[in-house]
Amino acid sequence: SQKIEQNSEALNIQEGKTATLTCNYTNYSPAYLQWYRQDPGRGPVFLLLIRENEKEKRKERLKVTFDTTLKQSLFHITASQPADSATYLCALQYSSASKIIFGSGTRLSIRP
Amino acid sequence: GAVVSQHPSWVICKSGTSVKIECRSLDFQATTMFWYRQFPKQSLMLMATSNEGSKATYEQGVEKDKFLINHASLTLSTLTVTSAHPEDSSFYICSARVRSTDTQYFGPGTRLTVL
Repeated sequence: SQKIEQNSEALNIQEGKTATLTCNYTNYSPAYLQWYRQDPGRGPVFLLLIRENEKEKRKERLKVTFDTTLKQSLFHITASQPADSATYLCALQYSSASKIIFGSGTRLSIRP
Repeated sequence: GAVVSQHPSWVICKSGTSVKIECRSLDFQATTMFWYRQFPKQSLMLMATSNEGSKATYEQGVEKDKFLINHASLTLSTLTVTSAHPEDSSFYICSARVRSTDTQYFGPGTRLTVL
Protein backbone atom coordinates (compact mmCIF):
# COMPACT_ATOMS: atom_id res chain seq x y z
CA SER A 1 0.00 0.00 0.00
CA GLN A 2 1.04 3.59 -0.49
CA LYS A 3 3.23 5.09 2.22
CA ILE A 4 3.75 8.78 2.71
CA GLU A 5 6.69 9.92 4.78
CA GLN A 6 7.08 13.40 6.05
CA ASN A 7 10.50 12.84 7.39
CA SER A 8 10.60 15.58 9.99
CA GLU A 9 8.13 15.19 12.78
CA ALA A 10 9.07 18.68 13.95
CA LEU A 11 11.03 21.56 12.50
CA ASN A 12 12.11 24.63 14.42
CA ILE A 13 13.52 27.60 12.54
CA GLN A 14 14.25 31.28 13.01
CA GLU A 15 11.79 33.90 11.81
CA GLY A 16 12.69 35.26 8.40
CA LYS A 17 14.37 32.07 7.21
CA THR A 18 12.96 29.70 4.62
CA ALA A 19 11.29 26.61 5.99
CA THR A 20 11.57 23.51 3.81
CA LEU A 21 9.40 20.47 4.48
CA THR A 22 9.80 17.13 2.74
CA CYS A 23 7.25 14.59 1.59
CA ASN A 24 8.30 11.24 0.16
CA TYR A 25 6.03 8.51 -1.12
CA THR A 26 6.39 4.94 -2.25
CA ASN A 27 4.73 3.15 -5.15
CA TYR A 28 3.47 5.02 -8.18
CA SER A 29 3.09 8.75 -8.46
CA PRO A 30 -0.23 10.40 -7.75
CA ALA A 31 -2.03 12.60 -10.21
CA TYR A 32 -2.23 15.32 -7.56
CA LEU A 33 -0.07 16.14 -4.57
CA GLN A 34 -1.49 18.55 -2.05
CA TRP A 35 -0.29 20.43 0.99
CA TYR A 36 -2.48 21.42 3.90
CA ARG A 37 -2.03 23.42 7.06
CA GLN A 38 -3.55 22.16 10.30
CA ASP A 39 -3.68 24.15 13.51
CA PRO A 40 -4.19 22.39 16.88
CA GLY A 41 -7.77 21.24 17.33
CA ARG A 42 -8.79 22.31 13.83
CA GLY A 43 -9.43 20.64 10.51
CA PRO A 44 -6.88 20.89 7.70
CA VAL A 45 -6.87 23.90 5.43
CA PHE A 46 -5.93 23.48 1.78
CA LEU A 47 -2.84 25.40 0.68
CA LEU A 48 -1.54 24.21 -2.68
CA LEU A 49 -2.06 21.48 -5.24
CA ILE A 50 0.51 20.39 -7.79
CA ARG A 51 -0.18 18.04 -10.66
CA GLU A 52 1.94 15.13 -11.79
CA ASN A 53 3.10 17.00 -14.90
CA GLU A 54 4.03 20.16 -13.00
CA LYS A 55 7.46 20.72 -11.51
CA GLU A 56 6.74 23.73 -9.34
CA LYS A 57 3.85 25.80 -8.04
CA ARG A 58 3.93 29.09 -6.16
CA LYS A 59 1.45 31.04 -4.09
CA GLU A 60 2.63 34.14 -2.32
CA ARG A 61 5.36 32.99 0.11
CA LEU A 62 4.70 29.32 -0.56
CA LYS A 63 6.40 27.13 -3.14
CA VAL A 64 5.87 23.45 -3.84
CA THR A 65 7.98 21.22 -6.04
CA PHE A 66 7.11 17.76 -7.31
CA ASP A 67 9.75 15.31 -8.51
CA THR A 68 8.17 12.08 -9.73
CA THR A 69 11.60 10.50 -10.30
CA LEU A 70 12.59 10.98 -6.68
CA LYS A 71 8.98 10.43 -5.55
CA GLN A 72 9.28 13.56 -3.51
CA SER A 73 7.65 16.91 -2.94
CA LEU A 74 9.25 19.85 -1.17
CA PHE A 75 7.20 22.59 0.48
CA HIS A 76 8.90 25.91 1.09
CA ILE A 77 7.76 28.90 3.14
CA THR A 78 9.94 31.92 2.49
CA ALA A 79 10.34 34.82 4.92
CA SER A 80 8.77 32.66 7.61
CA GLN A 81 6.76 34.25 10.39
CA PRO A 82 5.65 33.00 13.83
CA ALA A 83 2.10 32.90 12.42
CA ASP A 84 3.27 30.17 10.03
CA SER A 85 3.73 27.84 13.02
CA ALA A 86 1.41 24.87 12.47
CA THR A 87 1.42 21.28 11.32
CA TYR A 88 1.75 20.86 7.57
CA LEU A 89 0.29 17.79 5.91
CA CYS A 90 1.25 16.30 2.58
CA ALA A 91 -1.52 14.42 0.78
CA LEU A 92 -1.79 12.33 -2.37
CA GLN A 93 -4.69 11.83 -4.72
CA TYR A 94 -4.63 9.46 -7.67
CA SER A 95 -7.52 11.01 -9.54
CA SER A 96 -9.77 14.00 -9.00
CA ALA A 97 -12.52 11.72 -7.73
CA SER A 98 -10.43 9.42 -5.56
CA LYS A 99 -9.80 9.62 -1.85
CA ILE A 100 -7.07 11.79 -0.38
CA ILE A 101 -4.31 9.97 1.48
CA PHE A 102 -2.56 12.03 4.15
CA GLY A 103 0.92 11.92 5.58
CA SER A 104 1.39 12.26 9.32
CA GLY A 105 2.54 15.86 9.09
CA THR A 106 5.46 18.02 10.11
CA ARG A 107 5.03 20.36 13.04
CA LEU A 108 6.69 23.64 12.14
CA SER A 109 7.65 26.18 14.78
CA ILE A 110 8.93 29.61 13.82
CA ARG A 111 10.70 31.35 16.65
CA PRO A 112 10.87 35.16 16.76
CA GLY B 1 -14.34 29.83 -0.42
CA ALA B 2 -16.66 26.97 0.39
CA VAL B 3 -17.42 26.40 4.05
CA VAL B 4 -18.00 23.11 5.83
CA SER B 5 -19.31 23.12 9.38
CA GLN B 6 -19.42 20.41 12.01
CA HIS B 7 -21.57 20.14 15.07
CA PRO B 8 -20.80 19.73 17.86
CA SER B 9 -17.21 20.95 17.99
CA TRP B 10 -16.60 18.79 21.01
CA VAL B 11 -18.53 16.21 22.96
CA ILE B 12 -17.94 14.18 26.11
CA CYS B 13 -20.03 11.10 26.67
CA LYS B 14 -20.21 8.04 28.86
CA SER B 15 -19.09 4.65 27.62
CA GLY B 16 -21.92 2.76 25.95
CA THR B 17 -23.82 5.79 24.70
CA SER B 18 -24.21 6.86 21.08
CA VAL B 19 -23.04 10.16 19.69
CA LYS B 20 -24.12 11.86 16.47
CA ILE B 21 -21.89 14.31 14.62
CA GLU B 22 -23.25 16.51 11.84
CA CYS B 23 -21.36 17.76 8.82
CA ARG B 24 -22.87 20.48 6.64
CA SER B 25 -21.74 22.18 3.46
CA LEU B 26 -22.98 25.72 4.00
CA ASP B 27 -22.85 27.32 0.57
CA PHE B 28 -22.49 24.50 -1.90
CA GLN B 29 -23.91 21.12 -2.75
CA ALA B 30 -21.74 18.15 -1.92
CA THR B 31 -22.53 14.93 -3.70
CA THR B 32 -19.77 13.22 -1.75
CA MET B 33 -18.71 13.64 1.86
CA PHE B 34 -15.84 11.96 3.62
CA TRP B 35 -15.32 11.11 7.28
CA TYR B 36 -11.84 10.99 8.79
CA ARG B 37 -10.50 10.14 12.21
CA GLN B 38 -7.30 11.57 13.62
CA PHE B 39 -5.55 10.34 16.76
CA PRO B 40 -3.02 12.62 18.51
CA LYS B 41 0.12 13.23 16.48
CA GLN B 42 -1.13 10.96 13.72
CA SER B 43 -2.41 11.44 10.22
CA LEU B 44 -6.00 11.79 9.14
CA MET B 45 -7.31 8.31 8.36
CA LEU B 46 -10.25 7.99 6.03
CA MET B 47 -13.09 6.05 7.63
CA ALA B 48 -15.76 6.17 4.96
CA THR B 49 -17.02 7.87 1.84
CA SER B 50 -20.67 8.74 1.56
CA ASN B 51 -22.62 9.69 -1.51
CA GLU B 52 -25.94 11.45 -1.24
CA GLY B 53 -28.80 9.02 -1.25
CA SER B 54 -26.74 5.84 -1.15
CA LYS B 55 -24.95 3.67 1.37
CA ALA B 56 -21.54 4.72 2.59
CA THR B 57 -18.40 2.92 1.52
CA TYR B 58 -16.23 2.04 4.49
CA GLU B 59 -12.48 1.66 4.54
CA GLN B 60 -10.97 -1.64 5.54
CA GLY B 61 -11.03 -2.15 9.28
CA VAL B 62 -13.80 0.36 9.98
CA GLU B 63 -16.92 -1.24 11.47
CA LYS B 64 -19.95 -0.05 9.56
CA ASP B 65 -22.33 -1.10 12.34
CA LYS B 66 -20.42 0.95 14.84
CA PHE B 67 -19.94 4.07 12.73
CA LEU B 68 -23.28 4.77 11.08
CA ILE B 69 -23.20 7.28 8.27
CA ASN B 70 -26.23 8.93 6.76
CA HIS B 71 -26.04 11.32 3.81
CA ALA B 72 -29.64 12.31 3.47
CA SER B 73 -29.20 15.51 1.48
CA LEU B 74 -26.67 17.33 -0.66
CA THR B 75 -25.67 19.51 2.29
CA LEU B 76 -25.79 17.18 5.29
CA SER B 77 -24.04 14.02 6.37
CA THR B 78 -24.11 12.54 9.86
CA LEU B 79 -21.78 10.14 11.62
CA THR B 80 -23.16 8.25 14.60
CA VAL B 81 -20.72 6.49 16.87
CA THR B 82 -22.80 3.74 18.45
CA SER B 83 -22.04 2.27 21.86
CA ALA B 84 -18.99 4.45 22.17
CA HIS B 85 -15.98 3.23 24.12
CA PRO B 86 -12.89 5.10 25.37
CA GLU B 87 -10.87 3.84 22.41
CA ASP B 88 -13.27 5.71 20.11
CA SER B 89 -12.07 8.97 21.63
CA SER B 90 -10.56 10.88 18.74
CA PHE B 91 -10.83 13.91 16.49
CA TYR B 92 -13.42 13.32 13.77
CA ILE B 93 -13.20 15.46 10.64
CA CYS B 94 -15.52 15.55 7.68
CA SER B 95 -14.90 16.91 4.23
CA ALA B 96 -17.22 17.68 1.36
CA ARG B 97 -16.45 17.55 -2.33
CA VAL B 98 -17.75 20.26 -4.61
CA ARG B 99 -19.63 18.58 -7.43
CA SER B 100 -18.35 20.80 -10.21
CA THR B 101 -14.66 21.00 -9.36
CA ASP B 102 -13.91 17.86 -7.32
CA THR B 103 -12.27 20.13 -4.73
CA GLN B 104 -12.60 18.92 -1.14
CA TYR B 105 -13.21 21.26 1.76
CA PHE B 106 -12.67 20.18 5.33
CA GLY B 107 -14.71 20.86 8.40
CA PRO B 108 -13.24 22.16 11.66
CA GLY B 109 -13.46 18.76 13.34
CA THR B 110 -15.27 17.31 16.36
CA ARG B 111 -13.36 16.21 19.44
CA LEU B 112 -15.01 13.13 20.95
CA THR B 113 -14.05 12.04 24.45
CA VAL B 114 -15.59 8.87 25.81
CA LEU B 115 -15.29 8.40 29.55
